[in-house]
Amino acid sequence: KNQVEQSPQSLIILEGKNCTLQCNYTVSPFSNLRWYKQDTGRGPVSLTIMTFSENTKSNGRYTATLDADTKQSSLHITASQLSDSASYICVVSPDSNYQLIWGAGTKLIIKP
Amino acid sequence: NAGVTQTPKFQVLKTGQSMTLQCAQDMNHEYMSWYRQDPGMGLRLIHYSVGAGITDQGEVPNGYNVSRSTTEDFPLRLLSAAPSQTSVYFCASSYTPTNEKLFFGSGTQLSVL
Repeated sequence: KNQVEQSPQSLIILEGKNCTLQCNYTVSPFSNLRWYKQDTGRGPVSLTIMTFSENTKSNGRYTATLDADTKQSSLHITASQLSDSASYICVVSPDSNYQLIWGAGTKLIIKP
Repeated sequence: NAGVTQTPKFQVLKTGQSMTLQCAQDMNHEYMSWYRQDPGMGLRLIHYSVGAGITDQGEVPNGYNVSRSTTEDFPLRLLSAAPSQTSVYFCASSYTPTNEKLFFGSGTQLSVL
């Protein structure tokens, strides 16, 4: 069964610290992997999209990595800010149809 | 650009009532979709459309109808609301369904009593 699992479920860190969020997937065949940020009460916003051949992709202080062999991805946030408080969702696109496979997200709280 | 616009923001229904959630985008996207988001779960696809006049079912289509008469609009109809349909609903659009990032509306919080 196609699945996306994220860890941890929630995370609290101090402002200015770095953190890494994990995503494991069992989706096959694989087209691309995406990370979205969702602020409370808002729709998700795209951070990165990575295809099979891409190992790393950055968007400002956000850096996503992909290991297609082990089917793992991570999202690293550098020098966290209060505005980084949000849920971060990992999404995998199978190669075969239009239905994306969504993880349940990691809720990140940045404390001053 | 307004992007993806959803209305209403909040709605309370009684069991058995019907209603339509509105979604419009001004980016000339061919692909539009409806998702529901429930606590502790990933977003689940309800219905999607790859162009005007074309719609298809997603993962959880029961109890919902859609139509796509124009490129811009993609309304979602609840035929006879049930408490199990209490959720947050998101409309999303993109140029293509598989390789482009999705743009989301701000969501509709629906409660069915």
